[in-house]
Amino acid sequence: SQTIHQWPATLVQPVGSPLSLECTVEGTSNPNLYWYRQAAGRGLQLLFYSVGIGQISSEVPQNLSASRPQDRQFILSSKKLLLSDSGFYLCAWKGIRASGANVLTFGAGSRLTVL
Amino acid sequence: AQSVSQHNHHVILSEAASLELGCNYSYGGTVNLFWYVQYPGQHLQLLLKYFSGDPLVKGIKGFEAEFIKSKFSFNLRKPSVQWSDTAEYFCAVSGNSGNTPLVFGKGTRLSVIA
Repeated sequence: SQTIHQWPATLVQPVGSPLSLECTVEGTSNPNLYWYRQAAGRGLQLLFYSVGIGQISSEVPQNLSASRPQDRQFILSSKKLLLSDSGFYLCAWKGIRASGANVLTFGAGSRLTVL
Repeated sequence: AQSVSQHNHHVILSEAASLELGCNYSYGGTVNLFWYVQYPGQHLQLLLKYFSGDPLVKGIKGFEAEFIKSKFSFNLRKPSVQWSDTAEYFCAVSGNSGNTPLVFGKGTRLSVIA
């Protein structure tokens, strides 16, 4: 069965420090991968998605970047964190299920607090 | 660009009351529609989905949703809520192509009181 791992689960970082959040998927190949940010009252905001190695689409211009160095690895990064980067970051993968519908499966999330 | 609007930010209901959460979407093509739920302290998980066929779809835990194409709506319903339904509910839309991302609404927080 497919599983998705995110780490770290929680992170407290000072303003101006770098960031690296990692997401890996097991049990599937060539998944579509996504980074969302969840903030209270703002729902889930799509940040980046990737349909293959080295292919990144950015939905929102911001202080963050994403990379996909391997088929089942998706990394969210920043060179210098801002206070506004605080939030709950969710990684998700999408594969084609037998039903024909494209369903997102989410990881447990990484809570980032920038001080 | 696709977008999703959820009309209610916070809904408070008593147990056994009926529930309807509104969701309207904007998308210029064939859509896949979803409701996700996030129980306190848990992962986001799929509640139900629509991709084709019968516009009334049934999901887990007694939830259902109806796709009304003419109204661009996909409202979530449950005839009788329970305290355990307290959660945040997200409506989402994507295109029919496997590579189009899901776009979510801002969510509706449901609080069920005894």
